[in-house]
Amino acid sequence: SQTIHQWPATLVQPVGSPLSLECTVEGTSNPNLYWYRQAAGRGLQLLFYSVGIGQISSEVPQNLSASRPQDRQFILSSKKLLLSDSGFYLCAWTKEGAFRRTGELFFGEGSRLTVL
Amino acid sequence: QKEVEQDPGPLSVPEGAIVSLNCTYSNSAFQYFMWYRQYSRKGPELLMYTYSSGNKEDGRFTAQVDKSSKYISLFIRDSQPSDSATYLCAMTLSGGYQKVTFGIGTKLQVIP
Repeated sequence: SQTIHQWPATLVQPVGSPLSLECTVEGTSNPNLYWYRQAAGRGLQLLFYSVGIGQISSEVPQNLSASRPQDRQFILSSKKLLLSDSGFYLCAWTKEGAFRRTGELFFGEGSRLTVL
Repeated sequence: QKEVEQDPGPLSVPEGAIVSLNCTYSNSAFQYFMWYRQYSRKGPELLMYTYSSGNKEDGRFTAQVDKSSKYISLFIRDSQPSDSATYLCAMTLSGGYQKVTFGIGTKLQVIP
């Protein structure tokens, strides 16, 4: 069966510090991978998506970046955090064909980031 | 105007009530419609999936899509305290890469 892991689960960072959130998927190959942010009053906002190794598309211009160094690994980074980066970050995966049949994105447990 | 509009609530109902959750959208090209349920501090999980217009029923849950009105609904019958969660509508275009657009979510509390 497929599983998705995200870490760390919680972190508190000062403004201007770097960030690295990691996500790995097990039990499948060549998944589509996504980073979403969920901020209070704003819902789920798509930040980045990737359809393959090294292929990253950005949906929102900001001080965040994403990388996909391996097929099932997705990393969200920042060189200098802003207060507005606080939120609940969710990694998700799907397979294109399966999505068309089921509409299902599989989400991780999330990483709650507080920038002070 | 947001692509997807959803009342954030909170919505409080007594146990056993029928719950109606709704979303409106502006992009007539949306073809796939989903409802996700999110418990506190957890990732969302898929509840219902509908392609194009029509109804779909799964146990106590019924999803409706009215593309002519750009309006989707989720009905929960005989609501239970375990249904207390945030419900997010979601939709996406047909063809190509599936960028899923989510509503803000409606927080539901079912009171025993």
